[in-house]
Parts: sequence; structure tokens; C-alpha cells
Amino acid sequence: ETGVTQTPRHLVMGMTNKKSLKCEQHLGHNAMYWYKQSAKKPLELMFVYNFKEQTENNSVPSRFSPECPNSSHLFLHLHTLQPEDSALYLCASSQDGTGGGQDSGYTFGSGTRLTVV
Amino acid sequence: RKEVEQDPGPFNVPEGATVAFNCTYSNSASQSFFWYRQDCRKEPKLLMSVYSSGNEDGRFTAQLNRASQYISLLIRDSKLSDSATYLCVVRETGYALNFGKGTSLLVTP
Repeated sequence: ETGVTQTPRHLVMGMTNKKSLKCEQHLGHNAMYWYKQSAKKPLELMFVYNFKEQTENNSVPSRFSPECPNSSHLFLHLHTLQPEDSALYLCASSQDGTGGGQDSGYTFGSGTRLTVV
Repeated sequence: RKEVEQDPGPFNVPEGATVAFNCTYSNSASQSFFWYRQDCRKEPKLLMSVYSSGNEDGRFTAQLNRASQYISLLIRDSKLSDSATYLCVVRETGYALNFGKGTSLLVTP
């Protein structure tokens, strides 16, 4: 396995269900991220983890709960979601993101397309 | 987190044409700049970083104007396979990237 792997690729869940999204990176990166992409909107940052410590929570509702057990794995636990939470959820990783000439941005996973019914 | 603005398009151009996309960002302290490409129902992929001196990668040229807080992407000799959404991306401070809504390009035969 190489790059950033996300599972599942597609998920349909009811509003009372609990599910988890999984992300794994094989790039040796230090930082991992969850982004949400809804139709007609820019990618919205949800959470940032650096060396498995959460460094940013972008005012995300508590029905989304991230977990980062180590630098290579990231989870997003979902419970009692709403239909408006239906979106593409993208995981990404990066090396030390302090900017500058060597900044190589993110590598994204293929995403999980979530539908809440 | 401040804004990254792009013209959403769509830009419809014939094969072989030259097309330019522009982007403005509001945070003057922004540190790094990128163009990403996103195909329909796929994840964004890094197209190129944007450096202060400007940089070129084949048919693609990126420019940065820090004084005007403006980034551009020029695509020469457009191919059908260039059809995609092009995302302007800015790193302000720290680890997180700030994405524009994207500019849609359709290259037609």
C-alpha cells in the first residue's frame, strides 16, 4: 500500500447509526487532516493532527469525533448525523507544514462519499 | 481563516487554446501557494507549487504576486485531458491549507 488510503469509499447511514471512517498514510508524514467537501463549497477543514496530537478543531459539531492513535492512522467517528452532513470526506497527510520553498502541500486519500438518510 | 477567491467558471475552451485562471487571497501573511487539480468525484491532486519567482512545468505556468495577493495559472496548448476543476490553495500559518472553491475547465474537441 502506498499513499493515503481511505475506507470505506462509499457509506450510507441512517441518522441514528454510528459508523467510523478510516484513513491510513504510508508516506511517513507527521500531520493528518480531515476535510469535508460539499457541493458548490470549498473544502472545509475539520481537524488537524500533528504527531497524533490534535492541533485544530474548526468548530466541528460533536457528532463528529476524530481519533488519531498514531501518526499513520486517523479515524472519524460519526453518530447521530444529519442529512446536511452528506458530503465527500477527505483525509490528507503532509510533512512538517511550516511553509517555505520545500512545502509540498498535502497528499489526499480518495475520500469517503457519505450519504445520511 | 481568511478567504481564497476564484472565478468558478466554467471556462469552455477548444483544444490547443491558452487559458488563464486567477486567484486572490486575503491574508498577507500567507506562506505557501499551490494549484491543485480535482477531477469529477475524485480527490484533489497537487498540480504545482507556486513560487515567488514564478515556475513552469511543461504547459503549465504559475505566477505569484505577493504585493497584489494574486496567483495565476496559465495552461498552454490545452488538451481534452486538462478538463477538471483547478483549486487555488494557500497555506497561511501552521499546517492547514485554505482552499478556493475551484475553477471549472472544459476543453472541447
